[in-house]
This record gives sequence, structure tokens and C-alpha cells, in this order.
Amino acid sequence: AQSVTQLGSHVSVSEGALVLLRCNYSSSVPPYLFWYVQYPNQGLQLLLKYTTGATLVKGINGFEAEFKKSETSFHLTKPSAHMSDAAEYFCAVMTGRRALTFGSGTRLQVQP
Amino acid sequence: SQTIHQWPATLVQPVGSPLSLECTVEGTSNPNLYWYRQAAGRGLQLLFYSVGIGQISSEVPQNLSASRPQDRQFILSSKKLLLSDSGFYLCASPGTTNTGELFFGEGSRLTVL
Repeated sequence: AQSVTQLGSHVSVSEGALVLLRCNYSSSVPPYLFWYVQYPNQGLQLLLKYTTGATLVKGINGFEAEFKKSETSFHLTKPSAHMSDAAEYFCAVMTGRRALTFGSGTRLQVQP
Repeated sequence: SQTIHQWPATLVQPVGSPLSLECTVEGTSNPNLYWYRQAAGRGLQLLFYSVGIGQISSEVPQNLSASRPQDRQFILSSKKLLLSDSGFYLCASPGTTNTGELFFGEGSRLTVL
């Protein structure tokens, strides 16, 4: 069965600092991986996805993630944090029935 | 493009009362539809999915049920709410891109008192 683990339920960075949110996956088949962002009391918005091909994927709002099969990881990064990046971030892997299994989420705080 | 509508956006209900949350999808036909629940401080749990009218699969045993009376309508229900049913309920659909991602509605926040 496919699953994801997000390390760190809370991450705090200073404005302008590097953002690194960690995600490790478990999958018996080549995974489709996703990162979503959720602002308070809103639905989830897709940041980026990896299906096949290039292992470094770029998404919206300056985020990117690298699929590393050897490390079973799909960490999310952004070179310079902005106050508007404060939100909750979810890593997800596609399972059967085209559903997604989500990690427990990482809440990102950006300090001025 | 696809749009997912959910209502009500916010609901406060007493324990033991019934529940009906509605999700409708525009801009696509015969979509797979999903109900997820997000409890406070936790990730998203898949509750139900549907591949077509009248076809519902439950992922976890619970106090809730789902129905799909029309192609683009997905309803989450309960006959008697429990405190543990409180949470943020999200409806989702793969959309028309067929590239794996799900698109989500804005959610319905349920508080059971």
C-alpha cells in the first residue's frame, strides 16, 4: 500500500530564508506524488506534482520538489520564504481508484 | 475548467441530529468523486469515493454514509451525529486532466456540540 510520511508537523523560518518541508513515501509501484497547500478554512490547492520524467518539478509560488527514488523522498523547497507562504502543506501519493493518500501535514510559519 | 461547490460552508449541529453535506461539480461529466475528512491537527482521511451514479465505496467504518443521486452530485449524510464527526469535510474530483491530481472544493466545517 502507498503511504507518505511528513517529518515535522511545524516548521518555522524567517522571511527570506530557505523553506524545506520533508516528505518520504512508500510505494510498491512507481509513485505519482503531489504537494498541496491549504490556507485557513479553505480547500487544498495543488502546488506541484511528479508523475514521470524530470525528477525536479517546479510548481506555483516559487516552490519546487525533487523526486529521489533512492531516498524515497519528495521534499518541497523554496529558496526564499515570503510571509504569504504561511499555510499548511500536505504531501500525497496516488493510490488505487485514483484516490490520494495524504501525509499528516506540516504547518509553515514565516517570521518577519 | 472544473469547479467544485460545497455547502453549507459552516455547520454547527447537536449530537444526535442528522447531517447532509452536498457537493456538486461543474465543468466535467461522470467524474470520480471523493469525500475526505480533516480532523483538527490531522491529515486528510478518505471516507468515500464514487465512480458513478449510485456507486459508493466506503474506506473506513463510521457513522457516515454517502450517496450519488446524480452524475455530478455527491452527498455526505448521517442519521445521528457523534462528537467525533466534527471536522472539515472536503469533496474532491480528478477533473479532466487525467494526470493524477485531485481538485478540491472549499470545504464544509462541521462542529458537533
